[in-house]
Amino acid sequence: GQQVMQIPQYQHVQEGEDFTTYCNSSTTLSNIQWYKQRPGGHPVFLIQLVKSGEVKKQKRLTFQFGEAKKNSSLHITATQTTDVGTYFCAGRNRGSTLGRLYFGRGTQLTVWP
Amino acid sequence: NAGVTQTPKFQVLKTGQSMTLQCAQDMNHEYMSWYRQDPGMGLRLIHYSVGAGITDQGEVPNGYNVSRSTTEDFPLRLLSAAPSQTSVYFCASSYSRSGRSQNEQFFGPGTRLTVL
Repeated sequence: GQQVMQIPQYQHVQEGEDFTTYCNSSTTLSNIQWYKQRPGGHPVFLIQLVKSGEVKKQKRLTFQFGEAKKNSSLHITATQTTDVGTYFCAGRNRGSTLGRLYFGRGTQLTVWP
Repeated sequence: NAGVTQTPKFQVLKTGQSMTLQCAQDMNHEYMSWYRQDPGMGLRLIHYSVGAGITDQGEVPNGYNVSRSTTEDFPLRLLSAAPSQTSVYFCASSYSRSGRSQNEQFFGPGTRLTVL
């Protein structure tokens, strides 16, 4: 069945260092979304990537969708303490319009000041 | 708009008790879903619905029932609570019709459930 794998599970960085989390799907995706969950909070949508090879930026965050639409990454440049939280990727199967998302297990980011 | 609301925020149950977690959304979303979140396990899909009267099982459906009688509400019922169901439960909703450019999921604040 559909699987979305995400690594690493945990990442500890010092403030100012970069951070990357990777997401891989067992099947081709129609799109991929990224969410952030602050400690004690609920997941909040960050961005959606749809096109093969797409790259999108949000300030210090760079999101990429692979050429084969089976992998994605989120890169944070010069982390800040406000970046602390768990980052999830979530993909939809190609051809699916019914809403179901397959979530990765998330990468928990800790940032030391 | 209130978005996605969940009640209660916290609940403690004894083994064998039953209860219903409530979820409502006011965005006219077709798709609604329930997840449980346990440490190190990410978000696991319990049940989902693509519209009123339509539900389907997710990854971990055992011990839970759902129904979708209206577009707005999607309650999750625990039939006979077990300690393994201690978790944080999130309800989420989104559009699901084709043609929507971005079907992001909106999550409720969660229900923290402890089963003793």
